[in-house]
Amino acid sequence: DQQVKQNSPSLSVQEGRISILNCDYTNSMFDYFLWYKKYPAEGPTFLISISSIKDKNEDGRFTVFLNKSAKHLSLHIVPSQPGDSAVYFCAATAYGGATNKLIFGTGTLLAVQP
Amino acid sequence: NAGVMQNPRHLVRRRGQEARLRCSPMKGHSHVYWYRQLPEEGLKFMVYLQKENIIDESGMPKERFSAEFPKEGPSILRIQQVVRGDSAAYFCASSPLRAGDKTQYFGPGTRLLVL
Repeated sequence: DQQVKQNSPSLSVQEGRISILNCDYTNSMFDYFLWYKKYPAEGPTFLISISSIKDKNEDGRFTVFLNKSAKHLSLHIVPSQPGDSAVYFCAATAYGGATNKLIFGTGTLLAVQP
Repeated sequence: NAGVMQNPRHLVRRRGQEARLRCSPMKGHSHVYWYRQLPEEGLKFMVYLQKENIIDESGMPKERFSAEFPKEGPSILRIQQVVRGDSAAYFCASSPLRAGDKTQYFGPGTRLLVL
């Protein structure tokens, strides 16, 4: 049961344009969402997060939007740079209980063309 | 990667041997998580530990896998009698779990290859 889905395995964008990465989830108990960036042979690097009490969070070139009714979030990168080329993972965690384990999507490979 | 350390970075084992993976969390973090990434897949939660306690091991295979986070020293993920299907990247993450912040910071991973 894939609770967090990233339906686009890859995305190609021109340098300077906007990159939009999408993520859908099924578990209504999720209350905190994160985006990670991963280069080959490295660990995931935290980019930005959003709590379910918000619908937008912005940090420099990165903005995350959360639509709770649609169970959908998106990461916008603007302007895109060649160094942004990596795999992007969406992750979610649920309030309550003793654990805050992250549930990851399968990732989207972003290629930013110079 | 925000100071989480893992070693070794690469580990080769033959079938039936034991693998020990170590993780030192970021300074000030007392919560450690282990995740596994199989080829062409996303990261899957394995276990969550605090000092001297296993809090959630719902993602751990029932046999051959164990984890600990002693009072002193790194967290250890131990895989006994490895099989080829254990070949994967194993990532450790740590978190301070401050109120309102559930961010986990990842280490560089250990890539296990079972021959």
